Amino acid sequence: QQQVKQSPQSLIVQKGGISIINCAYENTAFDYFPWYQQFPGKGPALLIAIRPDVSEKKEGRFTISFNKSAKQFSLHIMDSQPGDSATYFCAVGGFTGGFKTIFGAGTRLFVKA
Amino acid sequence: DAGITQSPRYKITETGRQVTLMCHQTWSHSYMFWYRQDLGHGLRLIYYSAAADITDKGEVPDGYVVSRSKTENFPLTLESATRSQTSVYFCASSAQGVIEAFFGQGTRLTVV
Repeated sequence: QQQVKQSPQSLIVQKGGISIINCAYENTAFDYFPWYQQFPGKGPALLIAIRPDVSEKKEGRFTISFNKSAKQFSLHIMDSQPGDSATYFCAVGGFTGGFKTIFGAGTRLFVKA
Repeated sequence: DAGITQSPRYKITETGRQVTLMCHQTWSHSYMFWYRQDLGHGLRLIYYSAAADITDKGEVPDGYVVSRSKTENFPLTLESATRSQTSVYFCASSAQGVIEAFFGQGTRLTVV
């Protein structure tokens, strides 16, 4: 049962461009939506997260857009840099019923210099 | 050193053998998790623990056993390793369950 669907699987963006990664979820009980960034040979690390009471959250060049009615959220990376090249995972979590986080399949981003 | 550490980093084992992956965290986080990472599947939750002596199944628990006698340790045991358990295993910990999980460096396990 795939509870989180992430797209695209891979993405190539020019330096300075905008990278957009999308996620869709099924269970409306989820109320915490983080994005994790993973570099090769490393564990994932939290990048940015949002709660469903807001529609957008921005931290530097990274923005989460959240559409509660559509059960979708996305990560926008503005002014993409080669150092942003990594795998990005969306995830969903719930503060009730188990406190566990479920991850999407991941998106490999490559930013061309 | 503070943080979360996994050992070993790399392991090759034979089909049918028992193998244990270790995870240790120094933050006294209540929550700990085991994930496996496979291409095309992302991170899938194997088991998690909300506190010492409290564990629960995740999405893919079959063939795995966990224990948590101390808050800081959360070992994962493959009772009889199979080739399908070849994967990269990540341990994570969190103070508040879903809020910001901190991941270890991973253990690359190959079952031959």
